[in-house]
Amino acid sequence: AQSVSQHNHHVILSEAASLELGCNYSYGGTVNLFWYVQYPGQHLQLLLKYFSGDPLVKGIKGFEAEFIKSKFSFNLRKPSVQWSDTAEYFCAVMSDNNAGNMLTFGGGTRLMVKP
Amino acid sequence: SAVISQKPSRDICQRGTSLTIQCQVDSQVTMMFWYRQQPGQSLTLIATANQGSEATYESGFVIDKFPISRPNLTFSTLTVSNMSPEDSSIYLCSGAEQGYEQYFGPGTRLTVT
Repeated sequence: AQSVSQHNHHVILSEAASLELGCNYSYGGTVNLFWYVQYPGQHLQLLLKYFSGDPLVKGIKGFEAEFIKSKFSFNLRKPSVQWSDTAEYFCAVMSDNNAGNMLTFGGGTRLMVKP
Repeated sequence: SAVISQKPSRDICQRGTSLTIQCQVDSQVTMMFWYRQQPGQSLTLIATANQGSEATYESGFVIDKFPISRPNLTFSTLTVSNMSPEDSSIYLCSGAEQGYEQYFGPGTRLTVT
């Protein structure tokens, strides 16, 4: 069965610092990759996605992620975080071994940005 | 993208009772899912709600405890039956077209006393 690991459980940054959140998955076949964000008191929102093509994908609010197939990774980056980026971030994987769109989520990374 | 709403947004229930959560999508979607998010944890898939047939449950979840209905392509319900405090959690539904990203509802925060 596939699994998704987010190694950083809690991250604290100051505003304007650069961000990189790690995401690794364990599945050797074709995958679709996602980052979702959950702002305090709000529901899960799609931040960005990778299906195919350019492995560097850009999402909303200045976020980007790079799919490195050889490393089974899909790390999320932002060059300069803002206080409003305080949220929980979830990496998720959809693999080609199921016909049902099922997502496997990582454990989440809670980001706090200090003003 | 699909917009998904859930009712109720939160509830406090007594042990032994049941609660039915409704999920409404603003457009027809091929697939709908139900997740549980326990405090401070990630999302765990409960089941895939299949239109016109029985839901497909993940390991550790059974129909008697979490019966699911999906009468059409825009609506589904999840019932949490015979509740215990361990069922206290956030329950989320999502919708998706085959092969595409899932869109999530705001969740239902359930507290069982």
